[in-house]
Amino acid sequence: NAGVTQTPKFQVLKTGQSMTLQCAQDMNHNSMYWYRQDPGMGLRLIYYSASEGTTDKGEVPNGYNVSRLNKREFSLRLESAAPSQTSVYFCASSEGGAQAFFGQGTRLTVV
Amino acid sequence: QKEVEQNSGPLSVPEGAIASLNCTYSDRGSQSFFWYRQYSGKSPELIMFIYSNGDKEDGRFTAQLNKASQYVSLLIRDSQPSDSATYLCAADTGGASKIIFGSGTRLSIRP
Repeated sequence: NAGVTQTPKFQVLKTGQSMTLQCAQDMNHNSMYWYRQDPGMGLRLIYYSASEGTTDKGEVPNGYNVSRLNKREFSLRLESAAPSQTSVYFCASSEGGAQAFFGQGTRLTVV
Repeated sequence: QKEVEQNSGPLSVPEGAIASLNCTYSDRGSQSFFWYRQYSGKSPELIMFIYSNGDKEDGRFTAQLNKASQYVSLLIRDSQPSDSATYLCAADTGGASKIIFGSGTRLSIRP
């Protein structure tokens, strides 16, 4: 049972490049989330999807787009990467108000 | 105002003592509250959740919830060096479809 799988684990981008972070869960959860974590900032919600076909902005959505491709997959896209987007990104899933399960994280560096 | 607030620490506690971690939240509609532990470079892992007012005990951990004061706490008894980590408080908001985290409290257990 894989739980939540994120790819890639590490990525270095040049300013202005684009990339998509992939996330898939096999727990049949309705809700999925993208967070970023910066030193001393905890986890900040970028976007979330309460169910297949819906997405909503979180605390820090600027510079990002998301796609809930199906119930399993929720991707995060950076259209034009900026150094301020250097962070660790976590995908998570949950069912209703229950606990969130996290992926392994993606360490992204934008130079 | 951030929706979930925690003191960033560091909180230093001697081995064997009780560590007390605190959290406040702003959304009175929140129903579910979670404590996650995160070791450096790792994903957050759930250690406690609580839905009802009062105390909930699980081994050395006790979660306390006071909805009237919008306050959640985590007590760790008989603290061990392996408890040294960052503890993240989280609450569901937006009708249980969005999970928001505090900035985390760094706990250090000194031998």
